[in-house]
Amino acid sequence: GQQLNQSPQSMFIQEGEDVSMNCTSSSIFNTWLWYKQDPGEGPVLLIALYKAGELTSNGRLTAQFGITRKDSFLNISASIPSDVGIYFCAGQLGTGNNRKLIWGLGTSLGVNP
Amino acid sequence: DTEVTQTPKHLVMGMTNKKSLKCEQHMGHRAMYWYKQKAKKPPELMFVYSYEKLSINESVPSRFSPECPNSSLLNLHLHALQPEDSALYLCASSQERDSYSGNTIYFGEGSWLTVV
Repeated sequence: GQQLNQSPQSMFIQEGEDVSMNCTSSSIFNTWLWYKQDPGEGPVLLIALYKAGELTSNGRLTAQFGITRKDSFLNISASIPSDVGIYFCAGQLGTGNNRKLIWGLGTSLGVNP
Repeated sequence: DTEVTQTPKHLVMGMTNKKSLKCEQHMGHRAMYWYKQKAKKPPELMFVYSYEKLSINESVPSRFSPECPNSSLLNLHLHALQPEDSALYLCASSQERDSYSGNTIYFGEGSWLTVV
């Protein structure tokens, strides 16, 4: 079945450093979504991407929809302690009632103040 | 802040109890979802309601029974659960427009369920 390969699985960085994570697949997606989840909370949408090649920023976060539609990356610049959490990518296949959201396994981010 | 509100935040129930999880959204979204999430894993889809009709049931056991009283509300009725059903239950919604952006999913904060 379809699956997303999200990497790295975990990373621990110093405050102020930049971070990059990505998701790849053999499937072609029509949407890429990036979520952040804090312990005990629901996933919060960070960035949504709808077009191949699209590059979108949200504050210190930047994400891109790969030109092949099979991958996406998320960059965080100048990390701060509140960036700690699990980041999930999710790619959408199909449309209407046939649509399906496929999830990566998450990237756990730790930030050392 | 999320505009999908879930109650209760925490629930402990015995295996013979009947309880319900509740979800409300006021974004005018016409699709609502229930997901189950285990620790450090991605959410797993359980049910999808589209325009108040059940459109997807991901082979969920009948001890979980969803209900959509109106376009803003979604319930999950729980009965005779097992300890392995303990998890974070997430409600979500999307616009359900005929566009990719209309299918972007927004989550609530979740209800932590412990079955003892």
